[in-house]
Amino acid sequence: LAKTTQPISMDSYEGQEVNITCSHNNIATNDYITWYQQFPSQGPRFIIQGYKTKVTNEVASLFIPADRKSSTLSLPRVSLSDTAVYYCLVGDPWGSARQLTFGSGTQLTVLP
Amino acid sequence: NAGVTQTPKFRILKIGQSMTLQCTQDMNHNYMYWYRQDPGMGLKLIYYSVGAGITDKGEVPNGYNVSRSTTEDFPLRLELAAPSQTSVYFCASSSGTVYGYTFGSGTRLTVV
Repeated sequence: LAKTTQPISMDSYEGQEVNITCSHNNIATNDYITWYQQFPSQGPRFIIQGYKTKVTNEVASLFIPADRKSSTLSLPRVSLSDTAVYYCLVGDPWGSARQLTFGSGTQLTVLP
Repeated sequence: NAGVTQTPKFRILKIGQSMTLQCTQDMNHNYMYWYRQDPGMGLKLIYYSVGAGITDKGEVPNGYNVSRSTTEDFPLRLELAAPSQTSVYFCASSSGTVYGYTFGSGTRLTVV
């Protein structure tokens, strides 16, 4: 099972770009990397998913180096409403759900 | 388009009581999941289902039971509630892990 390591917390200011890195040294060949966002009193929300190189959508970008042992979620020009916990998950999309574990995540606080 | 609907939103149970947490999805997803989240912690998988009639244990199944008679519904049963089951419970569904999970808004359960 690929474990992940993320910073416990990060602070940023409005308008800045935020990069949250996740380490997953023992990622397997079939594993994908998925990021979720969770606001207080809400369920997590899917942000982005990727396998290698770079993936971009309307919300974020995901950068994955060639060795895939880490990944970086990039949030452009954050606002106060981006304050949330961000989770990095690694697992085989066609494997058992037991492999996908939510760690404690990264608490991002955006300051005015 | 409701997504994943959980009821009730809040509940207080006395020790030893039983209850069923309801979860319904209208996206025709085959995969459904139950997670619990304790304060300041990540989500832990209780049970999951890959289709009607098929369920399997997650990381923390003790004290819970599930059934999946239809694609839409995935109720979670708590028997003989204990204070250790005080938590926020999230139901989720997906068409396959590669597409990410859609979470419900959660049920906050307190056992006293």
